[in-house]
Order: sequence, then structure tokens, then C-alpha cells
Amino acid sequence: DGGITQSPKYLFRKEGQNVTLSCEQNLNHDAMYWYRQDPGQGLRLIYYSQIVNDFQKGDIAEGYSVSREKKESFPLTVTSAQKNPTAFYLCASVGQVDIQYFGAGTRLSVL
Amino acid sequence: GIQVEQSPPDLILQEGANSTLRCNFSDSVNNLQWFHQNPWGQLINLFYIPSGTKQNGRLSATTVATERYSLLYISSSQTTDSGVYFCAADTGGGNKLTFGTGTQLKVEL
Repeated sequence: DGGITQSPKYLFRKEGQNVTLSCEQNLNHDAMYWYRQDPGQGLRLIYYSQIVNDFQKGDIAEGYSVSREKKESFPLTVTSAQKNPTAFYLCASVGQVDIQYFGAGTRLSVL
Repeated sequence: GIQVEQSPPDLILQEGANSTLRCNFSDSVNNLQWFHQNPWGQLINLFYIPSGTKQNGRLSATTVATERYSLLYISSSQTTDSGVYFCAADTGGGNKLTFGTGTQLKVEL
């Protein structure tokens, strides 16, 4: 089935550790996005990529990094510089019609 | 940047009731989408509606771009409609959506 797969579903980070969240899509979409959602809040844009080998910062990029080496994949690394990483992370992709399709999300907690 | 405000923040309905959710935005938009987030966190796109009216089953949406608001109508609500409804808007290219804080809907038997 076509869709967006995020893994893992749950992730725990130790102090000072970098962790990487996976996002893979088989929808043949060019654009991909990472959002952060805190409890009771809307989504905030971390990074986005409109084409392979290119990406731009969103509204809250500090403490995060991304890469876009393949069209299908857009991994997000939460670095040790992100002092408050506990949140729900959502990946999305967009095809030709501007509609955003989301993965099931990764819940990140700090040990 | 654009501000997106949703109302009401919380809503409790009896099954079968109708409701209207509102989204106000502070600037002209070229992209306006409504999403439903289920209790497990999955977001599903309901409508892409920068202007005009659309209907999909029991749901419909209207965006009045000149007055900077959008409405989502839910008719004959069901318990499966429970969750959070988000409005999101973009003013330029790149599909950089700004999300509102959502309307938490609970439909009771």
C-alpha cells in the first residue's frame, strides 16, 4: 500500500544523545516535511524539503538536523542541542495537489 | 507570519448532533487545509479548500477568503468523529502550513 512510514513509534533519548527518526514514503512525492507537536498544541514546522539534496529550515529548526539523499527518505536527527525534545514528531509529504499526507508519528521521550 | 485561530477550543456533542468549527486567519492565503487527528495521533486530510465550498459525506467546508475565515461543518455526528480538528494555512509557496491549536471534539452516545 502507498503511504508514509515513520519509525520507531516510540523512542527514548538519554541525556547528551543524538537520536534519528525515520520517515519513508512510497507515494513518489517530491516534498517532505517534519513537524513537532506538543500536548494540546498545533503542529510546528521543523524542516522541509521540496526536492532531493535540498532542504530548508522551518520555524523551530534549532537543535535538529535533516538529510534528503533519496526521494523516498527524509530522516530527522534530534541532537543533544535540543534541550526539550519530548514531543510527538510527525512527517508529511506533498504531491502535485498541495495536500499534505501524514505518517503515524513518533513519540520521543527523555530518560 | 500568518496567525491561525480556531474556535471553539473544546466541544462535546451528543451523537447525531450537528456542529460548526471556525478557523480565522490573519492574512490572505493560497492554501487552507482541514485535518482530523484521531486519538492515536494520526492526522488525516479532510479538505484542501483555499476558497469556496466542498462536501464529503457528512462533512463540508467553506472558506471565505476575502473575509479570512473558514468553517467546517459536521452533520449527524458519530463517536468516530471524536478527536482534534486542525485548520492550517499558507500564504506563499512551499506549502509551509501554519497550524491552529485545534478544536477538541468529543461525541458521546
